Amino acid sequence: QKEVEQDPGPLSVPEGAIVSLNCTYSNSAFQYFMWYRQYSRKGPELLMYTYSSGNKEDGRFTAQVDKSSKYISLFIRDSQPSDSATYLCAMGETSGSRLTFGEGTQLTVNP
Amino acid sequence: DAGVTQSPTHLIKTRGQQVTLRCSPKSGHDTVSWYQQALGQGPQFIFQYYEEEERQRGNFPDRFSGHQFPNYSSELNVNALLLGDSALYLCASSLGQVATNYGYTFGSGTRLTVV
Repeated sequence: QKEVEQDPGPLSVPEGAIVSLNCTYSNSAFQYFMWYRQYSRKGPELLMYTYSSGNKEDGRFTAQVDKSSKYISLFIRDSQPSDSATYLCAMGETSGSRLTFGEGTQLTVNP
Repeated sequence: DAGVTQSPTHLIKTRGQQVTLRCSPKSGHDTVSWYQQALGQGPQFIFQYYEEEERQRGNFPDRFSGHQFPNYSSELNVNALLLGDSALYLCASSLGQVATNYGYTFGSGTRLTVV
């Protein structure tokens, strides 16, 4: 069993839709949770960074962490074609530790 | 402000050969981590270098080795290449082994193809 599970999609939505991306994990030691966006032929770019449980909002993006359920989510409101990319969840045990990534969800937002 | 720079961008090698990939961290960063990303998969941690020493290592064989130089740049070496080593190799930098609120900064990667 993988430490981090992420639905690979692909996910296709119309412009303006609300997108929900999710990951589950099995390692209780994970405390740092991140979402990265990766465009084709590019490296991952950090979108959201959350420590422990709770919600964090940044513009159209909201990250949620539920440590009791070992479940994290990323919501994208008013999705735009420019949001079309692969979204990777990543987790770490300490702030400087290795990151364990999900396999990524490929998102396409259609105009 | 330069981000993470990796070279070369693409590389084709023959099975059994050796390869060296290079990374210059973001200005102000002193820690470099390397990840391997196979097609359609998430990145997998190879190792991390800080103060010119390997500090953490993932589940990769000894064919994978690295080095960090006094200017914080780093190299990833892979010996006896296998077809399965074909992947995007990502370098990520941070300050003092602490990802802080900004996480790691990734480069665009080196695409290695082993034939």
